[in-house]
Amino acid sequence: AQSVTQPDIHITVSEGASLELRCNYSYGATPYLFWYVQSPGQGLQLLLKYFSGDTLVQGIKGFEAEFKRSQSSFNLRKPSVHWSDAAEYFCAVGDTGGFKTIFGAGTRLFVKA
Amino acid sequence: KAGVTQTPRYLIKTRGQQVTLSCSPISGHRSVSWYQQTPGQGLQFLFEYFSETQRNKGNFPGRFSGRQFSNSRSEMNVSTLELGDSALYLCASRHTGVGQVTEAFFGQGTRLTVV
Repeated sequence: AQSVTQPDIHITVSEGASLELRCNYSYGATPYLFWYVQSPGQGLQLLLKYFSGDTLVQGIKGFEAEFKRSQSSFNLRKPSVHWSDAAEYFCAVGDTGGFKTIFGAGTRLFVKA
Repeated sequence: KAGVTQTPRYLIKTRGQQVTLSCSPISGHRSVSWYQQTPGQGLQFLFEYFSETQRNKGNFPGRFSGRQFSNSRSEMNVSTLELGDSALYLCASRHTGVGQVTEAFFGQGTRLTVV
């Protein structure tokens, strides 16, 4: 069965520091991978997606993610975190039946001044 | 292009009552999915509709139901509300056909509180 694991429930980084959020997936075929961000009480906003091709994908707000098939990972990175990046981040995999998206449990990011 | 619109944004209901939530997808999107989000369980898939047909359903009791209209707008209904149904209910729409994988666009959600 498809699944997504985000090992870190929460992470705290200093403003200006680099960030890496981990995501591991379990999927039998070529995965379709997403990262979403959610601010408190709001819906989810798509940061970036990977369907095929270049394994390093660029997203909005300065985020990027790298697909590593050998490690079944799709980690999210940002070189310099801003206080406004504090939010919850969800990694997800798309079902190739086209019917649903499976989400990880989320990682809450705290940014300290 | 307008985004996904969910109404109402906030709702307070009493145990035993029923509730209907509404979702208007992005224009041209025929797939609408519903998710329940709680602090303890995270994001859980409820069901997905495409062209008025339910294509997939999550592991929720029959009290949770939904439907989709010919204009792709969707409603979900929860009957006999329980305290544990208190959650943020998120709707997402996608531009997709059978076998296609595309990104989901989410509404801001309906915050349901059951007292």
